Amino acid sequence: KAGVTQTPRYLIKTRGQQVTLSCSPISGHRSVSWYQQTPGQGLQFLFEYFSETQRNKGNFPGRFSGRQFSNSRSEMNVSTLELGDSALYLCASSLDHLSSYNSPLHFGNGTRLTVT
Amino acid sequence: AQKITQTQPGMFVQEKEAVTLDCTYDTSDPSYGLFWYKQPSSGEMIFLIYQGSYDQQNATEGRYSLNFQKARKSANLVISASQLGDSAMYFCAMREGLNQGGKLIFGQGTELSVKP
Repeated sequence: KAGVTQTPRYLIKTRGQQVTLSCSPISGHRSVSWYQQTPGQGLQFLFEYFSETQRNKGNFPGRFSGRQFSNSRSEMNVSTLELGDSALYLCASSLDHLSSYNSPLHFGNGTRLTVT
Repeated sequence: AQKITQTQPGMFVQEKEAVTLDCTYDTSDPSYGLFWYKQPSSGEMIFLIYQGSYDQQNATEGRYSLNFQKARKSANLVISASQLGDSAMYFCAMREGLNQGGKLIFGQGTELSVKP
């Protein structure tokens, strides 16, 4: 069974630009969550999508948005990039958004975004 | 207040020895799950082990075991017979309550280095 696939692996963008990251969950998983990882703030939850609807949201500005397609693939978009948006962005999948508290998330390899 | 605290930024262990990575948590929800993830330099988050708040016994998974002390709110990871490939960042995470699906709260991590 293929794992969570994130593309691209690396991105370099300039301040003010926007960027779109893609995530394909494990086959059969319908929930996709996004996390931002930085050396200063660590791993922080961005949002979760299930059935093409955002089900949960972290404490990030509106420049960070996402969507999910009918095949459960998800994209996240960051508009008007700032230097502080440089981070590893991790996507994780699970069966559904009501996963019992004992089911782990399965993560992809991440997209490393550098904003210059 | 930090929900997940990992007090050891870095640790060294000799190959073939056991090592304990500390994790304390803070929650008022009676239902929660605790997870440990390994993150090699490649960036992928690898799920290691899980402990539920209602579990009576400590979780074990191969060379990994979780020393769960509920009253002290600690969930330490024990790695037995360390291997060179165990060198990585280790994160403790918590899912609070039911229906939180894809939202995990992570600690700051512990960087483990295994010496030959």
